[in-house]
Amino acid sequence: DQQVKQNSPSLSVQEGRISILNCDYTNSMFDYFLWYKKYPAEGPTFLISISSIKDKNEDGRFTVFLNKSAKHLSLHIVPSQPGDSAVYFCAASALSSGNTGKLIFGQGTTLQVKP
Amino acid sequence: DTGVSQNPRHKITKRGQNVTFRCDPISEHNRLYWYRQTLGQGPEFLTYFQNEAQLEKSRLLSDRFSAERPKGSFSTLEIQRTEQGDSAMYLCASSSQGASYTFGSGTRLTVV
Repeated sequence: DQQVKQNSPSLSVQEGRISILNCDYTNSMFDYFLWYKKYPAEGPTFLISISSIKDKNEDGRFTVFLNKSAKHLSLHIVPSQPGDSAVYFCAASALSSGNTGKLIFGQGTTLQVKP
Repeated sequence: DTGVSQNPRHKITKRGQNVTFRCDPISEHNRLYWYRQTLGQGPEFLTYFQNEAQLEKSRLLSDRFSAERPKGSFSTLEIQRTEQGDSAMYLCASSSQGASYTFGSGTRLTVV
């Protein structure tokens, strides 16, 4: 039962262009969503998050969009840089249901930004 | 504070042996989580501590797995009678509240 899905295992973009990573979820109880970035041999690093009361959150080059009716979120990176090359994980939590902070992760999307 | 520390970084063990991993969270964080990640998958939740209390355990945490967090500081994850299917990256994370964790670099377990 994959509650959070990232259907694109990989994405390749040219430096300076936009990277768009997508994520779908099935559980209506999820009310907080996060993106993590992971380099090889390191743990995931928190990137950006969004609460279900918002539909957009922006932090520098990174913007997360949430479409609750479609149960879909996306991460936009503009402009993309070679250092952004990593695995990106979408994660979701049901904070209003017990608030343990447990995260459900997607399978990840490997982003390659070509110079 | 140097973040979340996990030891060892790598562990190779023979099937049937017991292994123990250690996690030192960020000192002011009262929440501690263990996750497991296998190749091509995202991290999967194993268990959650708030201070020294283990408040949630996943079905993935079979009776061969046990986790502790004595005194609400560092935590250990023990796997008894290891099986090849236990081979994975074991990740520890901590937070003060909410769901924005700081992860450690993980312990990679290989069962041969």
